[in-house]
Amino acid sequence: GENVEQHPSTLSVQEGDSAVIKCTYSDSASNYFPWYKQELGKRPQLIIDIRSNVGEKKDQRIAVTLNKTAKHFSLHITETQPEDSAVYFCGTTDSWGKLQFGAGTQVVVTP
Amino acid sequence: NAGVTQTPKFQVLKTGQSMTLQCAQDMNHNSMYWYRQDPGMGLRLIYYSASEGTTDKGEVPNGYNVSRLNKREFSLRLESAAPSQTSVYFCASITGGRTDTQYFGPGTRLTVL
Repeated sequence: GENVEQHPSTLSVQEGDSAVIKCTYSDSASNYFPWYKQELGKRPQLIIDIRSNVGEKKDQRIAVTLNKTAKHFSLHITETQPEDSAVYFCGTTDSWGKLQFGAGTQVVVTP
Repeated sequence: NAGVTQTPKFQVLKTGQSMTLQCAQDMNHNSMYWYRQDPGMGLRLIYYSASEGTTDKGEVPNGYNVSRLNKREFSLRLESAAPSQTSVYFCASITGGRTDTQYFGPGTRLTVL
């Protein structure tokens, strides 16, 4: 099955700085790459996603880049704010269409 | 639209007891999933149903059974609960395409004593 590795497991940034989380995957057939944000005690919520025919996608302070050749994709958060503190999960779909998740990154934004 | 709903929100069981977690979606989605999330951990797939009438094992199916009652509902049953099944359980649904967004329910927090 699909193996999704996510790094780092924890990330501490100063408010206003940028945060970058990286995921690598093994299944070359994967073609959908979502990112979810999970606040403490809440459900995971989709914040951005990218499909394999696109190399980069932006939504305000959030961007995702995809390198299909190297099989990795990254989440970039610019001008971080305290409300960005949460756990972030990357995902990919395997050959059967099932979504596989990375282990998550705990992001802490300090004032 | 309520989206994906789950009942109950919280449950405490004694070892050996059984219970069923309920999940329903009103988005006319074909595929539904059950995940568990242990403290500080990611989401692990227990079972999924690609379409009404079909179910398949995920990464951690032991100790669980599922029923896709109809297109809207997908239930997860613990026949004989064990402390190792203490976790937060999330149900999710998706239209069915490989590039469709997966939507999560609010979760059920289960404690097995």
